[in-house]
Amino acid sequence: EDKVVQSPLSLVVHEGDTVTLNCSYEVTNFRSLLWYKQEKKAPTFLFMLTSSGIEKKSGRLSSILDKKELFSILNITATQTGDSAVYLCAVRGGSNYKLTFGKGTLLTVNP
Amino acid sequence: KAGVTQTPRYLIKTRGQQVTLSCSPISGHRSVSWYQQTPGQGLQFLFEYFSETQRNKGNFPGRFSGRQFSNSRSEMNVSTLELGDSALYLCASSADRVEITDTQYFGPGTRLTVL
Repeated sequence: EDKVVQSPLSLVVHEGDTVTLNCSYEVTNFRSLLWYKQEKKAPTFLFMLTSSGIEKKSGRLSSILDKKELFSILNITATQTGDSAVYLCAVRGGSNYKLTFGKGTLLTVNP
Repeated sequence: KAGVTQTPRYLIKTRGQQVTLSCSPISGHRSVSWYQQTPGQGLQFLFEYFSETQRNKGNFPGRFSGRQFSNSRSEMNVSTLELGDSALYLCASSADRVEITDTQYFGPGTRLTVL
């Protein structure tokens, strides 16, 4: 069965800190890995990664994928209170390219 | 482009009743997936429809069913509701399974409460 594991489950930091969120996976027929941010509503798309070693970057957020070691990290620099959310990692793969989600990392950024 | 829309946004039902939720994908998207989200279990995959055919199914009992229409709109139905079915039900659409850009875009969800 496809599996996506995120760590840590929760994290509390102060504004200005840098955080690294982890996502490891065991998925057959890997096709892509996606990161989402969820506040008190539906998840919003952040990044999609499809090749090993490619880094995606958007402002203070960046992510890399290691297809050999089967993990991805999401990095947030100079955190702000508005970054407080659940960050979800999902992997598309399997026999019919199903999207499997991890349980998420709850990030709390205190002022 | 309008986003994914879901109706209704909130619903209160009692045990034993049935419920139908609706999802309209982003225009041009042919794939619709449904998820159940609860605090304890996170986002759990229910099923995915593509061109009116169910192509993926999660590990939910047969009380949970769905369908997709020719205009890509989708409905999911839950029969004989149980207290444990209380959750946020999210619908997500994506363009095409063949394309490399297969990002899913989520709707606002339907909050179902079973009393």
